[in-house]
Amino acid sequence: DAGVIQSPRHEVTEMGQEVTLRCKPISGHDYLFWYRQTMMRGLELLIYFNNNVPIDDSGMPEDRFSAKMPNASFSTLKIQPSEPRDSAVYFCASSLYSNQPQHFGDGTRLSIL
Amino acid sequence: AQTVTQSQPEMSVQEAETVTLSCTYDTSESDYYLFWYKQPPSRQMILVIRQEAYKQQNATENRFSVNFQKAAKSFSLKISDSQLGDAAMYFCAYGGAGSYQLTFGKGTKLSVIP
Repeated sequence: DAGVIQSPRHEVTEMGQEVTLRCKPISGHDYLFWYRQTMMRGLELLIYFNNNVPIDDSGMPEDRFSAKMPNASFSTLKIQPSEPRDSAVYFCASSLYSNQPQHFGDGTRLSIL
Repeated sequence: AQTVTQSQPEMSVQEAETVTLSCTYDTSESDYYLFWYKQPPSRQMILVIRQEAYKQQNATENRFSVNFQKAAKSFSLKISDSQLGDAAMYFCAYGGAGSYQLTFGKGTKLSVIP
């Protein structure tokens, strides 16, 4: 089975530009999570979905961040406008149901210049 | 709120030797799950092992085993016969039974010396 697929693997863009990160969860997994990883703050949960519905977005840092899950096989995390402090590795993860292990994608390394 | 503490930012082990990584957590819940994830330089997050709090038996996966002390809220990871490929960041994570979220520790960077 294919794992969680994220794209792009790397993204370099200039401050102020819109950034869209993409995620395809494992087929059949009902839960999808977006995380941000930085040296200073470690792994932070940004938002998670259950059956395509956003359940908790309290970790989303600002209104510049938004996430959608239009169907069970696709989710996006968008930053508009981007700022240098948004530079981090962004992970998407999915799980079959609560308390099952979360399976992570390879992450997107985002650099905002 | 739950917290997860990994008190060893860095550890090193000689190849073929055994190393133990520490993790403590704070929770008021009685039912929960604990995980160890490995993040090699390739930055993948790979599940190593999982423990259910209601199980007294310590989880084991090949060379990886845990020492789960529920009363002490401790969840250490033992790696036996360490291999060069074990070099990575290791993250301890807590998941409450009533929650769908994981709380991660800051990680321990493990180096394996040939």
